[in-house]
Amino acid sequence: DQQVKQNSPSLSVQEGRISILNCDYTNSMFDYFLWYKKYPAEGPTFLISISSIKDKNEDGRFTVFLNKSAKHLSLHIVPSQPGDSAVYFCAASASNDYKLSFGAGTTVTVRA
Amino acid sequence: EAGVAQSPRYKIIEKRQSVAFWCNPISGHATLYWYQQILGQGPKLLIQFQNNGVVDDSQLPKDRFSAERLKGVDSTLKIQPAKLEDSAVYLCASSRLLAGFYNEQFFGPGTRLTVL
Repeated sequence: DQQVKQNSPSLSVQEGRISILNCDYTNSMFDYFLWYKKYPAEGPTFLISISSIKDKNEDGRFTVFLNKSAKHLSLHIVPSQPGDSAVYFCAASASNDYKLSFGAGTTVTVRA
Repeated sequence: EAGVAQSPRYKIIEKRQSVAFWCNPISGHATLYWYQQILGQGPKLLIQFQNNGVVDDSQLPKDRFSAERLKGVDSTLKIQPAKLEDSAVYLCASSRLLAGFYNEQFFGPGTRLTVL
């Protein structure tokens, strides 16, 4: 049972433009959401997170938006850079156990 | 601060053989996780340790998979016997243990297992 879904397996964007990655979840107990970035042959690294008490969190070029009523979050990368080419995983956690449930990932390719 | 170390990085075995993976977490991290990531899917938690005790192993196929964390530091994950569907990347992660908060998980580079 996939509780976190990333419906776009891939995204191609031109350098300098905005990348928008989407994520949906089904478990209403989730109250903490994270994005991880993964390069080939490396483990995932934490990128940005958001608590359910917020609807937006910004860190430099990265902004995560949370719409609790729609059970949807998105990651915006502005402007996109070639080094952003990677797989991005959405993950969610509930404060009763803090276990992470991951989506299947979106592969982002930034074209020069 | 040194990251999470895993070995081997790659392993190729035939079905029905046995294999073991090793993980050394970040120093001072009480919680250790093993994840299985099948190609095209996100990581799936197999087992979570807190110090040397098991917190959650609900998704560990216990008929063939086993894991231990002796002395609350290093951990090994074993598969015996391996099946074709065990082909995946096995990720180890560790985190601090601060009650009442989400503790960031730091991942190792993973071991890519191919079962032929």
